[in-house]
Amino acid sequence: QVQLVQSGAEVKKPGTSVKVSCKASGYTFTSRAIHWVRQASRQRLEWMGWINSDNGDTKYSWKFQGRVTFMRDTSASTAYMELNSLRSEDTAVYYCVRGGDKYDSWGQGTLVTVSS
Amino acid sequence: DIVMTQFPDSLAVSLGERATINCKSSQSVLYSSNNKNYLAWYQQKPGQPPKLLFYWASTREYGVPDRFSGSGSGTDFTLTITSLQAEDVAVYYCQQYYNSPLTFGGGTKVEIK
Repeated sequence: QVQLVQSGAEVKKPGTSVKVSCKASGYTFTSRAIHWVRQASRQRLEWMGWINSDNGDTKYSWKFQGRVTFMRDTSASTAYMELNSLRSEDTAVYYCVRGGDKYDSWGQGTLVTVSS
Repeated sequence: DIVMTQFPDSLAVSLGERATINCKSSQSVLYSSNNKNYLAWYQQKPGQPPKLLFYWASTREYGVPDRFSGSGSGTDFTLTITSLQAEDVAVYYCQQYYNSPLTFGGGTKVEIK
């Protein structure tokens, strides 16, 4: 079955960076894009952007442009999200999501806590 | 950005009764060339990621019980649970994927009365 398994929780200091991984299985990794969505406590889901798993093209939400980078390793069927210049408002659960005509498979989420 | 507005914020429904959740987009998410509404519904339970219920506004995802239905077009959409079960207690979100940035509604919390 399709699975997206994310890396574990992180605690980071303001101004630093975090890198979250998302390992896909159960389907051909390059056939579907990977999107990244975050959810802060008591906040609505927030889309960050996506990466074309085949050719590596990326599209970032204007809100995160310049501060986020998506990457992928096709040999490992893994996508990565790196967020820089962290601030307290970036404390959230980060999800990777399989995209396409439908967003049908979500990772379990990675809690990133930004605290001094 | 397309703003997605859900209402009500929460509702309490008796077991076996109907629950109706509304979602309104600030502009149409109907793509005229293929007549598809770029609108999805998700269910999220505590401590879990969202689960896809519907895409293209009314296409039920595999395994979703048929007591759930999605309807609407253009800017106005509805998720209906015809006979609420205990396992349906959750927060429900709508999402538009018509254009970037993809955006979500604020969520509707469904509880048992």
